[in-house]
Amino acid sequence: QVQLVQSGAEVKKPGSSVKVSCKASGGTFSSSGFSWVRQAPGQGLEWMGGILPMFGTATYAQKFQGRVTIIADDSTSTVYMDLSSLRSEDTAIYYCAKDVERGGFDPWGQGTLVTVSS
Amino acid sequence: DIVLTQSPGTLSLSPGERATLSCRASQSVSSNSLAWYQQNPGQAPRLLIYGASSRATGIPDRFSGSGSGTDFTLTISRLEPEDFAVYYCQQYGTSPWTFGQGTKVEIK
Repeated sequence: QVQLVQSGAEVKKPGSSVKVSCKASGGTFSSSGFSWVRQAPGQGLEWMGGILPMFGTATYAQKFQGRVTIIADDSTSTVYMDLSSLRSEDTAIYYCAKDVERGGFDPWGQGTLVTVSS
Repeated sequence: DIVLTQSPGTLSLSPGERATLSCRASQSVSSNSLAWYQQNPGQAPRLLIYGASSRATGIPDRFSGSGSGTDFTLTISRLEPEDFAVYYCQQYGTSPWTFGQGTKVEIK
């Protein structure tokens, strides 16, 4: 059973960057796809992008192109999401999730709260 | 991008009642690549349904999904206390993957 454990909460200044990690255990890392989804306070879910570690290629939602970078480290079974040029609207819970071959995301990490405030 | 519109925004029902949630897509969802999730307060979403109608592992059979093309439905046959939550649909047929805005199922 795959488990995803994310790094802890962050408080960042506007204009800075944040890097959130997601460590996978209990499954085959390289052949799985992983996505990042965020949820602003009281709002819905928004897909940011994803990566297939086997190929190392990431795909990003147009909205985040140029600001987000997703990478995977096979040696530690960890996926990272780096978001730059932070603004207050980026305050959200950031989730990593494993892509299910049949479709959908399962499981999800516990979420990482990123607060952007001056 | 494919826009998913969920209705109603809030559904007020009693335990034991049937819940019917709708998800309408702005264009046809490729290969019925539609999933449903449940989210409880303070928790991550949980996958319920994939491929429009297949239950994910461990999901009770009171949850069922149906539909194709642009119109999809999640049905909860008899609401249990733990089913009162927010439900999201998601399409993963055309990038970028997109979510509906959610339907809250609350206790009447």
